[in-house]
Amino acid sequence: DAKTTQPTSMDCAEGRAANLPCNHSTISGNEYVYWYRQIHSQGPQYIIHGLKNNETNEMASLIITEDRKSSTLILPHATLRDTAVYYCIVRADYGQNFVFGPGTRLSVLP
Amino acid sequence: EAGVAQSPRYKIIEKRQSVAFWCNPISGHATLYWYQQILGQGPKLLIQFQNNGVVDDSQLPKDRFSAERLKGVDSTLKIQPAKLEDSAVYLCASSLGQYTQYFGPGTRLTVL
Repeated sequence: DAKTTQPTSMDCAEGRAANLPCNHSTISGNEYVYWYRQIHSQGPQYIIHGLKNNETNEMASLIITEDRKSSTLILPHATLRDTAVYYCIVRADYGQNFVFGPGTRLSVLP
Repeated sequence: EAGVAQSPRYKIIEKRQSVAFWCNPISGHATLYWYQQILGQGPKLLIQFQNNGVVDDSQLPKDRFSAERLKGVDSTLKIQPAKLEDSAVYLCASSLGQYTQYFGPGTRLTVL
């Protein structure tokens, strides 16, 4: 079973920031938080991952709470092309496979 | 850099027929994965290869599914015979060791 809990769906206005929450209250000290997204009819696409510090790349920012029990993926200026299912996954870098839950369906509205 | 390649993109067969899917991972990626994604669900791991050896096939229905990765590069996943419940998207992914996985576009299988 997936170790994370995410809202089923969210809407966001185009050009605004999209903040996608994820709860992972049973995360272990050696487990990373990964985010993937899946645009319709495509394979999942890697977005970002982190252990305890906040991370930022060209696609998004990842904010992890100090107790590591939850995190938020931020798309700073959402576009229509960001409409997708977003998956939050926790996993150690070695010895564990990715376990995908149902994810959050983000709809970016014009 | 070329991504993970999969073929065919779509396949329609009748139940009890057999089908095969092909995957070519990103060059240099030693680890290869096959996932099954049923409509409305997240992907589920079927099998993981490290080079040409199987690391994890605990969720592969071995009575009808088989996979191989000869020479440690490309891989094939076969279903024989297919059932209606095998209708799904079959995704291939690859990674350097156990790090970030990169996915192909998938093969959409419809079993009638």
